[in-house]
Amino acid sequence: RKEVEQDPGPFNVPEGATVAFNCTYSNSASQSFFWYRQDCRKEPKLLMSVYSSGNEDGRFTAQLNRASQYISLLIRDSKLSDSATYLCVGIDSWGKLQFGAGTQVVVTP
Amino acid sequence: DTAVSQTPKYLVTQMGNDKSIKCEQNLGHDTMYWYKQDSKKFLKIMFSYNNKELIINETVPNRFSPKSPDKAHLNLHINSLELGDSAVYFCASSQERQGGDEKLFFGSGTQLSVL
Repeated sequence: RKEVEQDPGPFNVPEGATVAFNCTYSNSASQSFFWYRQDCRKEPKLLMSVYSSGNEDGRFTAQLNRASQYISLLIRDSKLSDSATYLCVGIDSWGKLQFGAGTQVVVTP
Repeated sequence: DTAVSQTPKYLVTQMGNDKSIKCEQNLGHDTMYWYKQDSKKFLKIMFSYNNKELIINETVPNRFSPKSPDKAHLNLHINSLELGDSAVYFCASSQERQGGDEKLFFGSGTQLSVL
């Protein structure tokens, strides 16, 4: 089983709609999680950290569910510019960052 | 100013050649990394250096040799290139060592194509 798993998508979202997707992780002791955004043929960029209490940054909300071992990302009022691949990152039992393969989001006009 | 810069952006070469990719960060970070992103889009760590000291060395063939002349630079040299080395290689840096609340800043990537 991979350390971090994501639904690859694509999630096709009409502009203005809300989209949410999850990422499951296997290391129950992991304390730190992140969401990165990667545009096609570009480098990943940190979108937000995920705290135990959740995290909200504008239209983006990240939640952590320890009982079920997943983190989620919700995007409200989707913009065309939100189209990207969203990478979930957790920390494995050796303390190393593990990236998921990403969830592709396509926002359509 | 680009925070993490790597060169070249594209690298096309024949099997068996030796090539290098250079990386520099001007963020003052202590830790630098090399990641490989293959066709399935998984980002996998290859190496990590903290203040010029190797701290992570994944199960990477020894044809890959990182070199850190100072904490702002981490270069990657690849000997005897193979078809399976074709991928995008990302350099990254962070203030903290892995295992903490580090946030990674990536370079724009080097697309390596081995023919």
